[in-house]
Amino acid sequence: EAGVAQSPRYKIIEKRQSVAFWCNPISGHATLYWYQQILGQGPKLLIQFQNNGVVDDSQLPKDRFSAERLKGVDSTLKIQPAKLEDSAVYLCASSPQSSSYEQYFGPGTRLTVT
Amino acid sequence: AQKITQTQPGMFVQEKEAVTLDCTYDTSDQSYGLFWYKQPSSGEMIFLIYQGSYDEQNATEGRYSLNFQKARKSANLVISASQLGDSAMYFCAMREGMNTGGFKTIFGAGTRLFVKA
Repeated sequence: EAGVAQSPRYKIIEKRQSVAFWCNPISGHATLYWYQQILGQGPKLLIQFQNNGVVDDSQLPKDRFSAERLKGVDSTLKIQPAKLEDSAVYLCASSPQSSSYEQYFGPGTRLTVT
Repeated sequence: AQKITQTQPGMFVQEKEAVTLDCTYDTSDQSYGLFWYKQPSSGEMIFLIYQGSYDEQNATEGRYSLNFQKARKSANLVISASQLGDSAMYFCAMREGMNTGGFKTIFGAGTRLFVKA
């Protein structure tokens, strides 16, 4: 079974530029999560989808971050414009249902904003 | 207020010895879940073990066991017979229900474990 795929693995941009990350969850998984992990901290949930609907986006900075999950499969997370404090690893995870306790994580995208 | 507290930024253990990583949590929910994840230097998060709040027995998975003390709101991870490959960051996490009907997972700041040969 293929795991959660993410791309790119690394990205370096200048502040005020825009960037997009892509996630392909495990086939058949209804729930998809985007986390932000700043160096030295635990992951922080940005947004959670159930199929193509948003379950929780209370910690997503909506003035600059956006995410979508078209057709309930792949998802993209966008930052526009980026700030220095957005430098972090962005982790995507999926689970069969929101009630499932185990989440399967992708390898992450390391973003550096200069 | 911190929901998940991991007070040990770093821990050292000798190979083949047991080690306990501490975790305390804060919730007013009756139903919740507690997890431990491992994050090696490569960056992926690996699920280790899960304990439901109503589970009476402590969870065990191979060399991992979760010492669940509900009254103290603690969920410590015990790794027995440490191996060099256990060197990694370890995160404690809690899952709570949301008003919207879904579940939300909150992670602690992590403990870095170093296993010495």
